[in-house]
Amino acid sequence: AQTVTQSQPEMSVQEAETVTLSCTYDTSESDYYLFWYKQPPSRQMILVIRQEAYKQQNATENRFSVNFQKAAKSFSLKISDSQLGDAAMYFCAYINTGNQFYFGTGTSLTVIP
Amino acid sequence: KAGVTQTPRYLIKTRGQQVTLSCSPISGHRSVSWYQQTPGQGLQFLFEYFSETQRNKGNFPGRFSGRQFSNSRSEMNVSTLELGDSALYLCASSLGGALDSPLHFGNGTRLTVT
Repeated sequence: AQTVTQSQPEMSVQEAETVTLSCTYDTSESDYYLFWYKQPPSRQMILVIRQEAYKQQNATENRFSVNFQKAAKSFSLKISDSQLGDAAMYFCAYINTGNQFYFGTGTSLTVIP
Repeated sequence: KAGVTQTPRYLIKTRGQQVTLSCSPISGHRSVSWYQQTPGQGLQFLFEYFSETQRNKGNFPGRFSGRQFSNSRSEMNVSTLELGDSALYLCASSLGGALDSPLHFGNGTRLTVT
């Protein structure tokens, strides 16, 4: 069975600094997608970044980038120039070709002014 | 475009009752999926509907069911409620499913079972 593990329940970062959130997953499939979602206190989940497993190039979205290591089954999120609005719960997620979604337990990010 | 709308925002029910939650997807989105979020278990996938058909199902008991209408609106029903069903229930819509397009989440329905 697929599992997604986020080993950091809580993280904090100084405003304008860089922080990396970790995520590992377990799968026997070769074709899948990985995501990072952000859930601010407003509760609405927002897509941060998406990575297709067949692509070797790491995805980037402005200040957000990933380090995708397929062999190691690792998918970390790097947030550069952290802003107060980045404070939220971050979820790593995996979806297989059968459209089954698996989420990690989340990392709560605090941004310190 | 209006976002994903979930109603009601809050619900309080007693054990043994049943409950129906509603989700209106973004216009044009044909896929609607449901998730249960609890502090202990995190976010867990319940099921996904596409064009009125259940395309996928997570590992939940048969008390959890859903359906999708021809306008893509979806409902989720939980029968014989248990205390452990207390959770935030999120729905998400996408054009064709998360493999093809981003998921857009609603604000959720907070269900409390007493």
